[in-house]
Parts: sequence; structure tokens; C-alpha cells
Amino acid sequence: SAVISQKPSRDICQRGTSLTIQCQVDSQVTMMFWYRQQPGQSLTLIATANQGSEATYESGFVIDKFPISRPNLTFSTLTVSNMSPEDSSIYLCSVESASSYSYNEQFFGPGTRLTVL
Amino acid sequence: GNSVTQMEGPVTLSEEAFLTINCTYTATGYPSLFWYVQYPGEGLQLLLKATKADDKGSNKGFEATYRKETTSFHLEKGSVQVSDSAVYFCASTSSNTGKLIFGQGTTLQVKP
Repeated sequence: SAVISQKPSRDICQRGTSLTIQCQVDSQVTMMFWYRQQPGQSLTLIATANQGSEATYESGFVIDKFPISRPNLTFSTLTVSNMSPEDSSIYLCSVESASSYSYNEQFFGPGTRLTVL
Repeated sequence: GNSVTQMEGPVTLSEEAFLTINCTYTATGYPSLFWYVQYPGEGLQLLLKATKADDKGSNKGFEATYRKETTSFHLEKGSVQVSDSAVYFCASTSSNTGKLIFGQGTTLQVKP
């Protein structure tokens, strides 16, 4: 399994500002994913980040609001831009298992709990 | 499209009670199925998985069997503990994209 860390673990931000969340993996992985978990809700996939290419965004999410970087095979960042209180959520990154026998098993980071005032 | 539906919570049980959390899925093809657990204040952890029909995933006393005929993957545990209190998510892979699709989550509270 992969060990994933995220920074910051939590933050309280003002409306209109931006926050960049970092995700670090202890091994090289091809696919990294960013999810949002709104209070009391399930996980919603924001985008898939592959190294060396533009992130692929899900319906309802756009690059201007959630720019993503993927500079190498162990690191990614998600920025939440021009924040509003509706962006208050837990943001999680995950990676797909490197094993070809893992059947799309994903490992998750501990999450970043964001509160926007 | 593919979807996952879980029984609504919260589920409140006494310690040592039997647990069932229902999960059904819709999918084309043959998805892999997962149960993830989220303890208070933590991220998601993979609890168990099954990759084909009739497979049984098991871990920490929890079990779930991949039932293709009923498109279900119900989570069971014979005797729950207070430490099992958490939110449980059922998930499947999309057969054409490989992406994970999550159910809405079921909160389990176990009382001593």
C-alpha cells in the first residue's frame, strides 16, 4: 500500500482567498485523484491528475476554480481559488495501486479540512 | 451510468450486536467492489474488497460477498465493538473508466 500525506491538515480561510493543498506519496504512482467531501456527504471526484498531462476534470468542476499541478510521480497540488463558504469541505487525494492485480484499489490521504468564513 | 446505493443511517447498535449495512450497485460489465471506512477525524481506509462474482472480502471481522444476481455487496460483522463506530462507504469501479463511485455513506454508532 502507499503512504500518502497532505498539507495542511486543516485551515480556516477568508472568502475570496485561495488555498493550495499538497499531496505527497511515498512511491511513484501514475494516477492521482482529488476528491471533495462536503459536510455529511459522500466523496465526489474533482479531477484525475496524471503526470505530464493536463488534469481531467469531472462535470461541475473547472480548472479556473480548482487548478491542479502534477510535476512528478510522487506529488500533486490542488488549489481552491476565490473561495466562498460553499467550498468548506474535506479535500482528499488518493492514488491508484501500482499493482496490476489491484483492480483499481485506491489509497487515500488523511484529508485537508477547509473552512471558509 | 454506474451508481452505488447504501442503506441510510445512522445505524445505532449495542456492543456485540450483529451488523448489516446494505449496498447495491448498478453497473455495466463487471466492476470491482469495495468497502471503505472513515473513523472520526480521519481519511478513508480500505476495509475490504471483492473483484468478481461470489468473491468474499474480509478484514477485521467484517465480511462482504459480491452477489452478481442481486447486484449487492452487503457489509456484515457478527459482533461489533465501540471502536467500529465510523462512517462506512460502499464503492464500485466504473467498468469503462475505472473510476471509483461511492455510495452516500452509512454512519455506525456502537454503544457500550
